[in-house]
Amino acid sequence: NAGVTQTPKFQVLKTGQSMTLQCAQDMNHNSMYWYRQDPGMGLRLIYYSASEGTTDKGEVPNGYNVSRLNKREFSLRLESAAPSQTSVYFCASSDTDRGNTIYFGEGSWLTVV
Amino acid sequence: QKEVEQNSGPLSVPEGAIASLNCTYSDRGSQSFFWYRQYSGKSPELIMFIYSNGDKEDGRFTAQLNKASQYVSLLIRDSQPSDSATYLCAVFSTDSWGKLQFGAGTQVVVTP
Repeated sequence: NAGVTQTPKFQVLKTGQSMTLQCAQDMNHNSMYWYRQDPGMGLRLIYYSASEGTTDKGEVPNGYNVSRLNKREFSLRLESAAPSQTSVYFCASSDTDRGNTIYFGEGSWLTVV
Repeated sequence: QKEVEQNSGPLSVPEGAIASLNCTYSDRGSQSFFWYRQYSGKSPELIMFIYSNGDKEDGRFTAQLNKASQYVSLLIRDSQPSDSATYLCAVFSTDSWGKLQFGAGTQVVVTP
């Protein structure tokens, strides 16, 4: 049982490059999330998807786009990476978006130089 | 103003003692409250959740909720070095369109 799987685990980008973080869950959850975590800032929501076919902005959506490809997969795209996007990114999922337990992937460490 | 506040720590606790972590939140309509543990370089993992006022115990962990005072706490009894981690408080708030709001976390260091 893999839970929430995200790739890549580590990535170094140059300013202006683009990349996509992939996420998949095998728990048949409806809701999926992308968070970023920075020192002293805690987890901040970038985008979330309450169900297949829907996406909504979170607290810090600027510079990111998402795609809910199907119920299992939720990808995060950086179109033109900036050093301010250096962070640890966590994908997560939950049964609903009504305060049910959120399960996290292992994280993706992204450095933009 | 952050919606979920925690002391950043570090909170130094002798082995075998009780660690007490506090979390305050701003939305009185908050319904669900969660404590996550995060080891350095790892993802957060759920310790426990609480929905109703009062105490909820799970092994060495006790969550306490006081909605009138808008705080939730976590007690760790018989603290072990393996409890050294950052503890994240999360609150489900109706003001946040049905999403969890996380505090910045409290770092706990258990010293032998």
